[in-house]
Amino acid sequence: AQSVTQLDSQVPVFEEAPVELRCNYSSSVSVYLFWYVQYPNQGLQLLLKYLSGSTLVKGINGFEAEFNKSQTSFHLRKPSVHISDTAEYFCAVSGDINAGGTSYGKLTFGQGTILTVHP
Amino acid sequence: DGGITQSPKYLFRKEGQNVTLSCEQNLNHDAMYWYRQDPGQGLRLIYYSQIVNDFQKGDIAEGYSVSREKKESFPLTVTSAQKNPTAFYLCASRLGRSNTEAFFGQGTRLTVV
Repeated sequence: AQSVTQLDSQVPVFEEAPVELRCNYSSSVSVYLFWYVQYPNQGLQLLLKYLSGSTLVKGINGFEAEFNKSQTSFHLRKPSVHISDTAEYFCAVSGDINAGGTSYGKLTFGQGTILTVHP
Repeated sequence: DGGITQSPKYLFRKEGQNVTLSCEQNLNHDAMYWYRQDPGQGLRLIYYSQIVNDFQKGDIAEGYSVSREKKESFPLTVTSAQKNPTAFYLCASRLGRSNTEAFFGQGTRLTVV
């Protein structure tokens, strides 16, 4: 089984301040990790992903995340936020599930964190 | 332009009626997914499919059904057995399995009255 827990449902922050959105995961298989962003009434867009290699990954719009295997975490950070970063952010874990001779890639999301940037 | 198209964007149905949400992709992706989104609950997986004519139940499959007769299409039927169907539904697809990025449609907001 795999699951994702986003530790904060809402994070308010002032413009130009740093921010960290926390994500913990659990899985019985090797996983890959993703962060997505969603603007109101829209689909999700990929911010960044961890597949292998360096544990610090950089994404779009100045975001970065660090994979920590021992703490099963994948926290998202940005050193200085803008008003336009206001959105909902989702952490996701992906792992292979075998069923009936077919291998499926199951993609599980967390509950989301609403980031609100105030002027 | 390649992408995922969900239709309609808004859908209203009377209680007790089945309704089918459309999801089409022209990205040549193998895997397709359906999620339900409710405030404060994130995205919950309903069904997913890795290949044509095959699919797996996700975490909240009860009251839903799917088919995968073509690679490009993965329609979701919300049946009358789904106790609380009003929600935002998102379809996604990706090329391979676990190590590839998923691409999302713009969603369908279903309201049952």
